[in-house]
Amino acid sequence: GENVEQHPSTLSVQEGDSAVIKCTYSDSASNYFPWYKQELGKRPQLIIDIRSNVGEKKDQRIAVTLNKTAKHFSLHITETQPEDSAVYFCAASMAGGFKTIFGAGTRLFVKA
Amino acid sequence: DTAVSQTPKYLVTQMGNDKSIKCEQNLGHDTMYWYKQDSKKFLKIMFSYNNKELIINETVPNRFSPKSPDKAHLNLHINSLELGDSAVYFCASSQYSGTEAFFGQGTRLTVV
Repeated sequence: GENVEQHPSTLSVQEGDSAVIKCTYSDSASNYFPWYKQELGKRPQLIIDIRSNVGEKKDQRIAVTLNKTAKHFSLHITETQPEDSAVYFCAASMAGGFKTIFGAGTRLFVKA
Repeated sequence: DTAVSQTPKYLVTQMGNDKSIKCEQNLGHDTMYWYKQDSKKFLKIMFSYNNKELIINETVPNRFSPKSPDKAHLNLHINSLELGDSAVYFCASSQYSGTEAFFGQGTRLTVV
């Protein structure tokens, strides 16, 4: 069945450093790849997304890259700040598929 | 105005009881979902609805019965609650599949 693998499960960085989270998906029909941030006790919220017709997308300190051939996509956070500390989820879905598969999550700690 | 709201926020109940969680979205979205988040933060899709019709039932025990009286509402009824049902349940909606999902604040269900 469809699967999304996410690594690492935990990531600890110093404030100001970069953080990279990687995901791999199995269903080659997937064409929409969102990233969600979930702060402690809160709901997941979209921070950035990318579609399969684009290789890279950037929004201020956050960027996402997609390699369709390898079925890999990654989240890059630069100049990390303590408020970036949260659980980050990658996901994959297909228009018309009605099912978004989430990765297992990465707990990011940014140390001040 | 809250986009996706679910009630109650907390639910503590005994094994064997029946309980319901309500969800409403005011975004005019066609698609609604229920997700279960376990203690390890893994987000697993349970059901997808499109225009009140069940599209995806992700091998959820039939003790869980979703109901969508209209496009804006998707409720979840759980019969004969078990200890393993303890989790946070998130309702979500999206304009259509393969677009950003907006999550409710979650319902933390504890079965004792």
